[in-house]
Amino acid sequence: KQEVTQIPAALSVPEGENLVLNCSFTDSAIYNLQWFRQDPGKGLTSLLLIQSSQREQTSGRLNASLDKSSGRSTLYIAASQPGDSATYLCAETSFSTSGSRLTFGEGTQLTVNP
Amino acid sequence: GAGVSQSPSNKVTEKGKDVELRCDPISGHTALYWYRQSLGQGLEFLIYFQGNSAPDKSGLPSDRFSAERTGGSVSTLTIQRTQQEDSAVYLCASTNPGGSPLHFGNGTRLTVT
Repeated sequence: KQEVTQIPAALSVPEGENLVLNCSFTDSAIYNLQWFRQDPGKGLTSLLLIQSSQREQTSGRLNASLDKSSGRSTLYIAASQPGDSATYLCAETSFSTSGSRLTFGEGTQLTVNP
Repeated sequence: GAGVSQSPSNKVTEKGKDVELRCDPISGHTALYWYRQSLGQGLEFLIYFQGNSAPDKSGLPSDRFSAERTGGSVSTLTIQRTQQEDSAVYLCASTNPGGSPLHFGNGTRLTVT
């Protein structure tokens, strides 16, 4: 059974700080890993997707890395802003005879204080 | 449409009643997922559709839960004889296989009283 763990569960930082969110997974046959953002009362918004053959992806102030050998991914947020406050979830995609499935971590709740 | 649409956005029902939740995926997306998110919990996988078929129903919590998808598009999640523990946000997502990002709707918040 695939398991995805995110540390820390919650994080509070002052505006402007650079920060790292961590995600670990147990499935060595990972197909890809995605990072999502969830605002209160909303669905999830895809931020970055890293294929298993890639090591990192960047979008603006966000950079996500993937290390399959250690079963880890990190999401780096540069120069954090209050608008970055949200819950960040990672999910790994795996395939079985039943098709594809995404397994989610429980998320890191980020608060960026002005 | 521009994104994944779910309806209703909120549903309050009495224990024992049946409910239907609807998901309109992004046009052309062949894969569709249903997840459940309880208060303060992570996302719980319910069911996966590829086209109209559901190769993975393993996440459905009990036989009171069922889902179908017609025309490779709209999907309906039905919960029969609802229980209070069914209260949660039900999220639908769609994508195309092969490593494309997953697109989520805003969810249906179900409250069973």
